[in-house]
Parts: sequence; C-alpha cells; structure tokens
Amino acid sequence: GAGVSQSPRYKVAKRGQDVALRCDPISGHVSLFWYQQALGQGPEFLTYFQNEAQLDKSGLPSDRFFAERPEGSVSTLKIQRTQQEDSAVYLCASSLPSRPFSGNTIYFGEGSWLTVV
Amino acid sequence: GESVGLHLPTLSVQEGDNSIINCAYSNSASDYFIWYKQESGKGPQFIIDIRSNMDKRQGQRVTVLLNKTVKHLSLQIAATQPGDSAVYFCAEFPSSNTGKLIFGQGTTLQVKP
Repeated sequence: GAGVSQSPRYKVAKRGQDVALRCDPISGHVSLFWYQQALGQGPEFLTYFQNEAQLDKSGLPSDRFFAERPEGSVSTLKIQRTQQEDSAVYLCASSLPSRPFSGNTIYFGEGSWLTVV
Repeated sequence: GESVGLHLPTLSVQEGDNSIINCAYSNSASDYFIWYKQESGKGPQFIIDIRSNMDKRQGQRVTVLLNKTVKHLSLQIAATQPGDSAVYFCAEFPSSNTGKLIFGQGTTLQVKP
C-alpha cells in the first residue's frame, strides 16, 4: 500500500492477556517509530528503529513492552500481561531517511486501538 | 521534565474566520518544531514546521510563529474551512538526530458553518 499500515485496527484484550500489534511501514523506509496515544492526549514516544537496529527504547513504559523489527521492514510491538492503563492508540510511523529527521518525511499510520478490559 | 503544549482545549470558530492555536514549550534547547493535524480515527498529519533560526514560516493558508524569548509557538489558519476541524498538536524535536518527537496535548478546532 501507499501508506503505513497497522493491524489490527481494533483490539480488545482481557487484563493479563498478551497482545501483538503489527506495523507495515512504507516500502523502503529505513526508520520506524512507535508512539502511544492515550485518550485526549498527545502521542508519546515509545521506541525507534533504524533498519533492524533498535536505537532508542527509552519510551517503553515497562519491561512488559517489547518491540522488534527483525528484517528491517515489518515491526511488531508486543505487550505482555496487559493492564487497563495500557488502553490507548498505538501509532506507528516511518521515514525514508535516517537522522536527521524533518516532519514532512515522517508518515504516521492510523493506529491500533487497544482496549484492555 | 520535558513538556510541550499549553493550550485552550477547544477552539470554536466561524467558517471563513482566521484561527489561532497556541502552544508553549519548556525545552529552550529545542531547535525544531512541527504542527500536526489529527482527524478522528487517523494518525497525525504534518502541516508545517519551523526551525529555531526563524520566527515565522508560511505555507498554504497556514503560518507558524515562533517566539523563542517566551518559548511560544502559534499556528494561524486563514479562512478556516469545515475540513480544518480536527485536533492540532504542536511537537518538539529536541534533536533531529533522534526519533523522539515530544507532542503537546492538543487543541480541538471546531469550525461552525
């Protein structure tokens, strides 16, 4: 597709369940980002990949959150033992160039909406 | 701590009027700022950006103003249209060498026909 694709678009998980969220970046994009957006808030940075290398994971809120991009294209964000506070939209973004970045080269997907009940 | 964005949560304007959305940032070392538009159910969409060596930048119907003295950013939308209704976020790039954007909390723009 032409844009960043995320799946599933909507996920309802029972507390304690593990979830996996997938991001297909724009073909050929080197950089990939994950953000978490709680209801009514701005997105918050989780992690950043350059190809398969995870260069910054400073935003991951706990060791229950894990992200990977093993072949430098598709990425998966995994949340173990989900809790209610994990309910949010998880946004993926990709960029063709690596650093330095500019806003008009970063493209966001529509997000995966996670609700933990 | 780092934060971006002090704002009126909702701004309501009449179609055809000009809109001004404000944002304050706290990291005086930041050198690059971006405005995003987010429609319901979609990801943020780039509108316009500005670097700290500038105080004004214009795009199509949009202008961003940067006041580094008081650490304030604003987005002006001329002749606001119904399609401009969305949530607007300012975002800060502490360093364009990282992937970490710091977003404010957003302002909802409602355009009345």
